Amino acid sequence: EVVLTQSPGTLSLSPGERATLSCRASQSVSSTYLAWYQQKPGQTPRLLIYAASIRATGIPDRFSGSGSGTEFTLTISRLEPEDFAVYYCQQHGNSRYTFGQGTKLEIK
Amino acid sequence: EVRLVDSGGRLVQPGGSLRLSCAASGFTFSSNWMHWVRQVPGKGLVWVSGMNTDGTHTMYADSVKGRFTISRDNAKNTLLLQMNSLRAEDTAVYYCAKDLIGHGSFDYWGQGTLVTVSS
Repeated sequence: EVVLTQSPGTLSLSPGERATLSCRASQSVSSTYLAWYQQKPGQTPRLLIYAASIRATGIPDRFSGSGSGTEFTLTISRLEPEDFAVYYCQQHGNSRYTFGQGTKLEIK
Repeated sequence: EVRLVDSGGRLVQPGGSLRLSCAASGFTFSSNWMHWVRQVPGKGLVWVSGMNTDGTHTMYADSVKGRFTISRDNAKNTLLLQMNSLRAEDTAVYYCAKDLIGHGSFDYWGQGTLVTVSS
């Protein structure tokens, strides 16, 4: 099973700053099957990025994804107050789906 | 508008059984793979099970294999999860999720239904 490790566990930043979240896979993942989600307290997860770099419908262009193989990154170019949440990466391969443990993005 | 409505969660004793349902609308249900994902309150997301469009291919996390059964009724636009031999560690909010075709990600989620396994 592919294990996804996200870092940092918690990221403290201020609105307007740039956020860089990392997702490392224990073995190579196809970019086609790497996604990022945002979850706010009391809400269901929301798909942000799929295929490593494609923004889902309605996602602002301040969100971008990149990476390949075992290293993937979610970048938020200029943080808005509504961006403070927990972010998860997720992969699919060999009839299995796994999530990272999440990165909490909090207001500094 | 895509809508997924989860139901069936409740308090159940260890060793008991429960069936969760997910009513889908707003898209062609029979054309999409569907999944169940769970989350212990305050913890991370864990994929539980998934199924292809016609039900001929099912997938399970190791933690539930042999105890949970996923199924679907394309005529009724409904996804089901039969949960047997429930354990305390199965306590979680269970979400059904629609698969984004060709990408193995989840583009729409139900609101979740809480399953509590406790004596």
